[in-house]
Amino acid sequence: KAGVTQTPRYLIKTRGQQVTLSCSPISGHRSVSWYQQTPGQGLQFLFEYFSETQRNKGNFPGRFSGRQFSNSRSEMNVSTLELGDSALYLCASSILAGLGETQYFGPGTRLLVL
Amino acid sequence: GIQVEQSPPDLILQEGANSTLRCNFSDSVNNLQWFHQNPWGQLINLFYIPSGTKQNGRLSATTVATERYSLLYISSSQTTDSGVYFCAVGSYTGTASKLTFGTGTRLQVTL
Repeated sequence: KAGVTQTPRYLIKTRGQQVTLSCSPISGHRSVSWYQQTPGQGLQFLFEYFSETQRNKGNFPGRFSGRQFSNSRSEMNVSTLELGDSALYLCASSILAGLGETQYFGPGTRLLVL
Repeated sequence: GIQVEQSPPDLILQEGANSTLRCNFSDSVNNLQWFHQNPWGQLINLFYIPSGTKQNGRLSATTVATERYSLLYISSSQTTDSGVYFCAVGSYTGTASKLTFGTGTRLQVTL
């Protein structure tokens, strides 16, 4: 079974632009979560989607948004990029939300904002 | 929210040595996972262990939920074990799913 895939793997943007990242979960998994990893803040939870509904949201500004499609694939969008948005963005999937299951992570998208 | 502390922050070992990594958490949890982050950034699942003891080859983990800590043991370390080890915990309300990560233990295994 294929693992979690994320595209693109690397991205360079300039301040003020917007960016969309994509995540395809493991087949059969319906929950998708997004995390941001930076050297200063570590790994932080962004949001989680289950059956096209946002179930949980971390403490990030409204510039960060996401959605989930009927096939469980998810996208996250960051508008009006700032230098501090440079980070590794990781996506994780699990079969169902909230049952204490193992979450499986994708390889991440490395975003550099210039 | 839940606080997760990992120790030590950095660890240097010679190949063949054993080590113990610790994770303390501040509240009851129903999900605890250990991950190894490889040099390319991917988080590799090591254990899902909200309680009890598990072993997988040279690695084993123990979580004592009542005392709010977990231990990851690495025996006969190899250079390929180098990287950052994260503990992550989850405490679910309703059906929401969220992991809170510790700051990690950076392990370097030398020849």
